[in-house]
Amino acid sequence: AQSVTQPDIHITVSEGASLELRCNYSYGATPYLFWYVQSPGQGLQLLLKYFSGDTLVQGIKGFEAEFKRSQSSFNLRKPSVHWSDAAEYFCAVATGYSSASKIIFGSGTRLSIRP
Amino acid sequence: GAVVSQHPSWVICKSGTSVKIECRSLDFQATTMFWYRQFPKQSLMLMATSNEGSKATYEQGVEKDKFLINHASLTLSTLTVTSAHPEDSSFYICSASPGQAFSGNTIYFGEGSWLTVV
Repeated sequence: AQSVTQPDIHITVSEGASLELRCNYSYGATPYLFWYVQSPGQGLQLLLKYFSGDTLVQGIKGFEAEFKRSQSSFNLRKPSVHWSDAAEYFCAVATGYSSASKIIFGSGTRLSIRP
Repeated sequence: GAVVSQHPSWVICKSGTSVKIECRSLDFQATTMFWYRQFPKQSLMLMATSNEGSKATYEQGVEKDKFLINHASLTLSTLTVTSAHPEDSSFYICSASPGQAFSGNTIYFGEGSWLTVV
């Protein structure tokens, strides 16, 4: 069965420092992978997605993620974080390739920014 | 761009009553919509797949008689929490995707609906 693991529950980084959030997936074929961000009490915002092609995906707000099939990973990175990046981040995988496919979410990583 | 809208954004109801949450795709048709539940500081858990014109498909452990889903049109799915209890208090989010394939499209999430049962 498809699954997503985010091993880090909570990460704190200093403002201006680089960031990497880890995500590992389990899927039999080429996965569709997503990163979402959720601010407290808010809905989800899509940061980026990977369907195929270039394994380094650029997203909004300066985020990027790299798909590594050999490691079953899709880690999210940002070279320099801002205080406004403090939020909950979810990695997700689609269970198929159609609009009827489910999205399975990881447990999330809470990002705190140290002034 | 495509938008998925939920209503109400928040609702408070008394224990034992029922409450309905709507999920609308505003500028596209969605034969399939999804309902998620998110408890505080937890991840989103898929509750059910809402299928237009047919019965919803529920995930294991989700009570179909308690969480009634109706997908009567291609732009509207409703989730009714029946005989709500305080433990049903949660953030409910729906999602939908235009078209048949993900390629070139994406999944859109509603803004979520906060349910508090008192």
